[in-house]
Amino acid sequence: GDSVTQMEGPVTLSEEAFLTINCTYTATGYPSLFWYVQYPGEGLQLLLKATKADDKGSNKGFEATYRKETTSFHLEKGSVQVSDSAVYFCALSDHTGGFKTIFGAGTRLFVKA
Amino acid sequence: EAGVVQSPRYKIIEKKQPVAFWCNPISGHNTLYWYRQNLGQGPELLIRYENEEAVDDSQLPKDRFSAERLKGVDSTLKIQPAELGDSAVYLCASSLERGVTDTQYFGPGTRLTVL
Repeated sequence: GDSVTQMEGPVTLSEEAFLTINCTYTATGYPSLFWYVQYPGEGLQLLLKATKADDKGSNKGFEATYRKETTSFHLEKGSVQVSDSAVYFCALSDHTGGFKTIFGAGTRLFVKA
Repeated sequence: EAGVVQSPRYKIIEKKQPVAFWCNPISGHNTLYWYRQNLGQGPELLIRYENEEAVDDSQLPKDRFSAERLKGVDSTLKIQPAELGDSAVYLCASSLERGVTDTQYFGPGTRLTVL
């Protein structure tokens, strides 16, 4: 069945460092891909999304490109800030064989000043 | 615009007791989701509604869990009786439609502890 695998955390970086959080997926159809973020004490919220191959989603300095050939959707940011400390979830939505949304286990990011 | 509202935020109960969670989605959102999130894991879908119809409840443990969405607006998720393994955060989300490209908007969740 469909699945999402993302790199284990926690990831600890210094402010202004480059961030990559890896995400790969398996899907029988052509899913849409999402990154959600959960800040401390808050609910999950959409960070960015891409709905077809080679699309790039971007928001708040974060980017991710839908790579069908490598079944990946890695999250990147060129210069992280302390306020980026949160848990990041990669997810897919697919309607092949019935609508479904599947989340990865989440990657916790700590950014030190 | 108000977000997804959930109550209570926290609940502590003894095992074998019943418990209920309430969710009010964003106004106009036709699709409502209930997820369970165990510690250190991502959300797992329990049930999805399109308006008042439960269109996907394949992951809902029907022997003890039930849900309803009256009039296609707010929803209640119930557990009876609760077991120790039900301790988790229960998340409600809503989306405008049910398409695979749609963004889901999440509430803050209800943290359930079963003793």
